[in-house]
Amino acid sequence: QKEVEQDPGPLSVPEGAIVSLNCTYSNSAFQYFMWYRQYSRKGPELLMYTYSSGNKEDGRFTAQVDKSSKYISLFIRDSQPSDSATYLCATTDSNYQLIWGAGTKLIIKP
Amino acid sequence: EADIYQTPRYLVIGTGKKITLECSQTMGHDKMYWYQQDPGMELHLIHYSYGVNSTEKGDLSSESTVSRIRTEHFPLTLESARPSHTSQYLCASSAGTQMLNEQFFGPGTRLTVL
Repeated sequence: QKEVEQDPGPLSVPEGAIVSLNCTYSNSAFQYFMWYRQYSRKGPELLMYTYSSGNKEDGRFTAQVDKSSKYISLFIRDSQPSDSATYLCATTDSNYQLIWGAGTKLIIKP
Repeated sequence: EADIYQTPRYLVIGTGKKITLECSQTMGHDKMYWYQQDPGMELHLIHYSYGVNSTEKGDLSSESTVSRIRTEHFPLTLESARPSHTSQYLCASSAGTQMLNEQFFGPGTRLTVL
């Protein structure tokens, strides 16, 4: 079983839709949960992170962690074509190494 | 934009050739990493370094080697390229002083071995 599971998609939605991206993880000791965004032909960059459980909001983006179900979510409101990218979830192990999901390719259709 | 650079961006090479992928960062980060990324798959850590003269193998078995003679430079070398080495290679760095361990990535090198 992979430590972080993520559906690679692609996920295609119309412009303006609310997007929900999700990951599950297996180790209850994980504490930091991150979302990286990767545009085509670029490296990933950190978009948002949460510590432990709860929500964190930044503009149109909301990151959510439910530790009871080991579920990580990223919501994008009023999605734009410029949001089209691959979104990777990640967490850190006890050695501070990142453990990655496979990434979900998101396509926002104008 | 992060100050981390990779060259070349694209490389097509024949089997058996020796190649070096270059990675440099200007942020003064102690920690640097090499990942392999294939479509639909998670990033796999192949090498990392916690500082000058420190190198470790990651969780993905790799026939490549790395060196860290200067803080800013972390090249990856393949002594004899094979078609199985065809992949995207990403270099990253981090200050690595906290559990979050935010990593900053270069644009990647797409390697094709014929």
